[in-house]
Amino acid sequence: DSGVTQTPKHLITATGQRVTLRCSPRSGDLSVYWYQQSLDQGLQFLIQYYNGEERAKGNILERFSAQQFPDLHSELNLSSLELGDSALYFCASSAGTGSSLYFGPGTRLTVT
Amino acid sequence: GQQVMQIPQYQHVQEGEDFTTYCNSSTTLSNIQWYKQRPGGHPVFLIQLVKSGEVKKQKRLTFQFGEAKKNSSLHITATQTTDVGTYFCAELSGGSNYKLTFGKGTLLTVNP
Repeated sequence: DSGVTQTPKHLITATGQRVTLRCSPRSGDLSVYWYQQSLDQGLQFLIQYYNGEERAKGNILERFSAQQFPDLHSELNLSSLELGDSALYFCASSAGTGSSLYFGPGTRLTVT
Repeated sequence: GQQVMQIPQYQHVQEGEDFTTYCNSSTTLSNIQWYKQRPGGHPVFLIQLVKSGEVKKQKRLTFQFGEAKKNSSLHITATQTTDVGTYFCAELSGGSNYKLTFGKGTLLTVNP
């Protein structure tokens, strides 16, 4: 158990819909990262927050947004969902930039 | 964007054989991290290498960072069925945008 929690574990929704994925980092960790994992693309970095502020952005679509709240939990919002958005979404946390990442169990999103 | 290249993509070995996965970059890396993801699981941090020529060992696992800091390797001696999984290297991009970019991973399967 990494100490990072993610909800929900599974999500099935239709194209065009909007979903919110939630992540709680390890106690004391200020950085939260979001990754998308699909079979053909591996682990794709989406976005990083540090203590509530966006720090780095990766290949995150405009339809996707995220935020980190004052209690340090984070949410990833995915809108206008497409079939290709079906993937495993991981949240990870770390004590600071450059530290090792602790991954949550992931949310498996299926768009039908 | 910059991404470390991992080879091989897949490796199947007989239990007891050795295994090596390589991570290569066209540019100098500030550091490299290695993660293992078991089937159905989430990535778990193994080690971080920072210094040129660094070698670190964890039981049957040996990690190396190249002298030029452009490549790294993970070697497993006498594989066991518990070693099954995907091994990822990840590079930390520095500058003003800190993000951890993962290679595509090497999937190791072990025949008992």
